[in-house]
Amino acid sequence: DTGVSQDPRHKITKRGQNVTFRCDPISEHNRLYWYRQTLGQGPEFLTYFQNEAQLEKSRLLSDRFSAERPKGSFSTLEIQRTEQGDSAMYLCASSLFLGVHYEQYFGPGTRLTVT
Amino acid sequence: AQRVTQPEKLLSVFKGAPVELKCNYSYSGSPELFWYVQYSRQRLQLLLRHISRESIKGFTADLNKGETSFHLKKPFAQEEDSAMYYCALSSQGGSEKLVFGKGTKLTVNP
Repeated sequence: DTGVSQDPRHKITKRGQNVTFRCDPISEHNRLYWYRQTLGQGPEFLTYFQNEAQLEKSRLLSDRFSAERPKGSFSTLEIQRTEQGDSAMYLCASSLFLGVHYEQYFGPGTRLTVT
Repeated sequence: AQRVTQPEKLLSVFKGAPVELKCNYSYSGSPELFWYVQYSRQRLQLLLRHISRESIKGFTADLNKGETSFHLKKPFAQEEDSAMYYCALSSQGGSEKLVFGKGTKLTVNP
């Protein structure tokens, strides 16, 4: 296991198109988080899963965004009808939660550019 | 509201000099505080967390609840410490989502 992986690493799309990103967490981790990072800012929380259940969504996550983790393993983040303001780095992180919370491990991110 | 403030966007020091990266937070409960680091072309990684009270790569950070601060310090900076540093907090229990500051870019000059 080489850590959290994300695919693709870079995505350029035209405004109005749909895009989907994938995150593969560390295998035994039951929690998975999505963050978004724009230039000059720190990462901002979008949503998180515990196993397959999506337990919290940020108000940043508009109706155009949807995330899934169907089997409690990998997760996808889809953005419909992309806008230029969606251009950002999308980060995935995973952690193990057993009543006590352990460290979040981050993936390399997917850089989205909307033209 | 939860908020993390890192007042310095950029910090430049010479090798061997002490370094302090400032972090202040706003949180109504009992937060957990972290420092994350991102070296050039690498992913974000945890440097240290306040509950472990460890010194990692010579860095320490003390949680000061009275001043709501969690400053990161190192007595003798090294060139390999040059990186982007993010202070973050999470609530204990619940989602444990991280709230990040905007980051400080540290450059250690030879």
